[in-house]
Amino acid sequence: QKEVEQDPGPLSVPEGAIVSLNCTYSNSAFQYFMWYRQYSRKGPELLMYTYSSGNKEDGRFTAQVDKSSKYISLFIRDSQPSDSATYLCAMSAGGNNRLAFGKGNQVVVIP
Amino acid sequence: DTGVSQNPRHKITKRGQNVTFRCDPISEHNRLYWYRQTLGQGPEFLTYFQNEAQLEKSRLLSDRFSAERPKGSFSTLEIQRTEQGDSAMYLCASSLGGNNEKLFFGSGTQLSVL
Repeated sequence: QKEVEQDPGPLSVPEGAIVSLNCTYSNSAFQYFMWYRQYSRKGPELLMYTYSSGNKEDGRFTAQVDKSSKYISLFIRDSQPSDSATYLCAMSAGGNNRLAFGKGNQVVVIP
Repeated sequence: DTGVSQNPRHKITKRGQNVTFRCDPISEHNRLYWYRQTLGQGPEFLTYFQNEAQLEKSRLLSDRFSAERPKGSFSTLEIQRTEQGDSAMYLCASSLGGNNEKLFFGSGTQLSVL
């Protein structure tokens, strides 16, 4: 079993829809949870950063962490064509800062 | 530009050749990381430095791979006797360190081994 599971299936949504992405993990030591956005042929860009359980909102983006279920989510409201990218979840236990990534979800927002 | 800088952006080489990539982290960041990403996968950790000290290496980092950060600033990643399986995007990231887990990535070096 991989440490981080992210269903890599592509997701196509119409402009203005809510995008919902999620990851599950197996390592209970993970405390730091991140979502990265990656455009084609570019490096990952940090989008959301959360420590421990709870919700965090930043503009149209909301990240949720449920440590009891080992489940994290990212919601994008009012999606725009510029949100079309691959979204990667990542997490770490702290200390050595080694991030474990999911496979990523390719999101396409159709105008 | 104060982001993480990687050079070259693309490298095409023949199997068996040696290649070297360079990473310049964000200037005040004392931690530097190398990751590898293949198509359809998330990045995989290779190694990381705290200042000039290499503190951890993944089992993915075979003996043909070596990374250095001689003065605690820029870093190089060398792959000797390249194999076709080395074809991937090599990503560098940096962070402030301590309890700050925010890693900032460069645009990567895309390696193609023919």
